[in-house]
Amino acid sequence: NIVMTQSPKSMSISVGDRVTMNCKASQNVGNNIAWYQQKPGQSPKLLIYYASNRYTGVPDRFTGGGYGTDFTLTINSVQAEDAAFYYCQRIYNSPFTFGSGTKLEIK
Amino acid sequence: EVQLVESGGGLVQPGRSLKLSCAASGFTFSNYGMAWVRQAPTKGLEWVATISYDGSSTYYRDSVKGRFTISRDNAKSTLYLQMDSLRSEDTATYYCARAVWDYGSYVGFDYWGQGVMVTVSS
Repeated sequence: NIVMTQSPKSMSISVGDRVTMNCKASQNVGNNIAWYQQKPGQSPKLLIYYASNRYTGVPDRFTGGGYGTDFTLTINSVQAEDAAFYYCQRIYNSPFTFGSGTKLEIK
Repeated sequence: EVQLVESGGGLVQPGRSLKLSCAASGFTFSNYGMAWVRQAPTKGLEWVATISYDGSSTYYRDSVKGRFTISRDNAKSTLYLQMDSLRSEDTATYYCARAVWDYGSYVGFDYWGQGVMVTVSS
């Protein structure tokens, strides 16, 4: 089965900075990756699908990229409300495996 | 407004069974695939199972195959997860989620319930 590895495990960023987090698939998954945001005490929210397609209503400061095995989620001009865990997920083919997550803290 | 409300969680002994339900409203339930995703305390998300819009296709993670059964009742707009032979490692909050379908498969989960806690312990 494909393993999704996210890095770093955590990061601390100031408001207004740009941040990039990574997701690596153990096998080529094409562009079949989704990204989610989960704030403390809340359910996850879909941000990105097909690696770079922003879901409805997601602010354009969230940008996804990558293809094959290496993927990124970039947040431009981070806001305080972006403090959360971020998870990548393999989509399109089962198993729909999640990565272990990256915790984003705001200084 | 799309709403997904899970129920049926609780404390159960290892080896016993539990059935979760997810009542859906605010959309045409029979048009969408659905999924269960779990999250152990302080851990990350773990996909459990997915079912097609009509129930004809089901998919499971390896660790629950043969123990868990996902099903749906489109007339009642309700999703189910029958969990048998429960283990301590099944302890988690279980979320139901609506699946986004595009060009032949599922490309994400766009609406999630608030989750229901399942604790497997003697």
